Amino acid sequence: GAGVSQTPSNKVTEKGKYVELRCDPISGHTALYWYRQSLGQGPEFLIYFQGTGAADDSGLPNDRFFAVRPEGSVSTLKIQRTERGDSAVYLCASSPSLAGMSNEQFFGPGTRLTVL
Amino acid sequence: GQQLNQSPQSMFIQEGEDVSMNCTSSSIFNTWLWYKQEPGEGPVLLIALYKAGELTSNGRLTAQFGITRKDSFLNISASIPSDVGIYFCAGQPTGTASKLTFGTGTRLQVTL
Repeated sequence: GAGVSQTPSNKVTEKGKYVELRCDPISGHTALYWYRQSLGQGPEFLIYFQGTGAADDSGLPNDRFFAVRPEGSVSTLKIQRTERGDSAVYLCASSPSLAGMSNEQFFGPGTRLTVL
Repeated sequence: GQQLNQSPQSMFIQEGEDVSMNCTSSSIFNTWLWYKQEPGEGPVLLIALYKAGELTSNGRLTAQFGITRKDSFLNISASIPSDVGIYFCAGQPTGTASKLTFGTGTRLQVTL
């Protein structure tokens, strides 16, 4: 079956611009996660949705970062006033988790964001 | 953010050799996961561990959940060229919702 998909695969933007990154989770998965991976590092947690609501947004670095999942399926990560330090691969994952019971998270290929 | 201590940082081995890597944490986890990541792709789940002391195999891969719940080990037997990639451990801290905390990664290179 189809896995997690993310678009675009690459995004180049200029400092100060606004960007949106999209994630399509595996069909039927109720939990959706966003992570950020800098070069040479492991992924770092940003935000977790259970259904439509953000269950944990403690990893968002500042208020320039925001994510939504209005219908409990597709999610969009939004970054305002981008900075060069935002350059990274943004990974999305989903799991069939109900109230956090299972942690088998399946990842998409990521969006590589470059801020010039 | 916090990252788990993973070692070794990189390994260069010959085809056919066995590989061991480990991951340690200062805090307790109730789930350990091992992922493999290749260039330009997202991490792919290899093995999931849910109980302290658990030993689980997936083909040539074997992983263990340490009894202290602060460490985990991954072994790869009889390595082959397609084992090349970066291996990450990940844990879920006790009492926390389903976010994962990842290790720093072990880069594996296999020579013929």
